[in-house]
Amino acid sequence: DIQLTQSPSFLSASVGDRVTITCRASQVIDRYLAWYQQKPGKAPTLLIYGASTLQSGVPSRLSGSGSGTEFALTITSLQPEDFATYYCQQLNSYPPTFGQGTRLEIK
Amino acid sequence: QVHLVESGGGVVQPGRSLRLSCAASGFSFSRYGMHWVRQTPDKGLEWVAVIWYDGTNRDYADSVNGRFTISRDNSKNTLYLQMNSLRAEDSAVYYCARGHSTSWFYFDFWGQGTLVTVSS
Repeated sequence: DIQLTQSPSFLSASVGDRVTITCRASQVIDRYLAWYQQKPGKAPTLLIYGASTLQSGVPSRLSGSGSGTEFALTITSLQPEDFATYYCQQLNSYPPTFGQGTRLEIK
Repeated sequence: QVHLVESGGGVVQPGRSLRLSCAASGFSFSRYGMHWVRQTPDKGLEWVAVIWYDGTNRDYADSVNGRFTISRDNSKNTLYLQMNSLRAEDSAVYYCARGHSTSWFYFDFWGQGTLVTVSS
């Protein structure tokens, strides 16, 4: 199975900050990568697919980049609703797998 | 809007069975691939199973293959997960999720989850 390693695992930031979360794949996955946001007690929600395509309704302050084995999720001008846990997921190779998560907290 | 509601979770003894259901509404259920994904604090998110939009094909994670069966009833807009020979490591929150229209292995809508606890 393809392993996805996210860094950092924990991130503390302030409203208005710019943050970047990275996701590294153990094998090349082209651009078959998604990002999800999860808030406590809730299901994940799809933010980005195809490495950089925003899902409908997702604000443009979020963006995704990368291909191959290195990917990034960037959030510019953090808003209070952005503080959550973020996961990457690959679907290039069976079975689909997830990263371990990055918890973004308010400083 | 898209709505997925899981049910059927609970506490069950090791070796016993449980069936989860996921009621779908707000979209053409019979046109989408559907999945089960589970989550634990230790192992995180783990994909469990997929079923094609028409039920003709299905696949499973190695960890549940041979013990779990995914099925659907398109006339009832309902997805199922039959879980047999349950083990402690199957304890998790189980989510049903819809496959994205561009690729079924992106999960664009999720239910609220149902908790399964396998314990004696």
